Amino acid sequence: DIQLTQSPSFLSASVGDRVTITCRASQGINTYLAWYQQKPGTAPKLLIYAASTLQNGVPSRFSGSGSGTEFTLTVTALQPEDFATYFCQQVRSYPLTFGGGTKVEIK
Amino acid sequence: QVQLVESGGGVVQPGRSLRLSCAASGFIFSNYGLHWVRQAPGKNLEWLAVISHDGTRTHYADSVKGRFTVSRDNSKNTLFLQMNSLTYEDTAVYYCPKPRGGDYDPFDFWGQGALVTVTS
Repeated sequence: DIQLTQSPSFLSASVGDRVTITCRASQGINTYLAWYQQKPGTAPKLLIYAASTLQNGVPSRFSGSGSGTEFTLTVTALQPEDFATYFCQQVRSYPLTFGGGTKVEIK
Repeated sequence: QVQLVESGGGVVQPGRSLRLSCAASGFIFSNYGLHWVRQAPGKNLEWLAVISHDGTRTHYADSVKGRFTVSRDNSKNTLFLQMNSLTYEDTAVYYCPKPRGGDYDPFDFWGQGALVTVTS
């Protein structure tokens, strides 16, 4: 199985900050990686797929990069609505797996 | 618009069974392989199973293989998850997300989830 390790698991930031979250895969997954945002009590929301393609309707302050085993999600100019938990997911092979999550809280 | 509505959750004793349903609309159901994903309270997302668009192929996570069975009825646009021999560790919100496209695509639509609580 492909393991995904996210870091940090917790991040404290202020509105307007630039934040970067890393996801490392235990083996190469090309660009078969997605990022989700989840707020308490709601289902995850797809932000980025194919490592760097923004899903329709997602603000351009979100961006993704990487290939192989190392990936990043960057949020420039953090907004109040961006405080949430972020997960990466690999879709390279079954079983599909998710990272452990990064909770972004207000400093 | 795309809608996914999970139902069938509830409180169940360990060792018992439960069947979840996922009613889909707003897309061509029979064109998509479909998945089940769960999230235990305060925990990570866990992928459980996928069934091909025509129902002929399935894959399962090791944690549920042999206990859970995914099936579908394309005539009723409905996905199912039969869960047997439930344990406390199966307590979670269960989702049936729709992939963007093929079997190796991430999920662009999710339902509200169905809560399953396994307790004695």
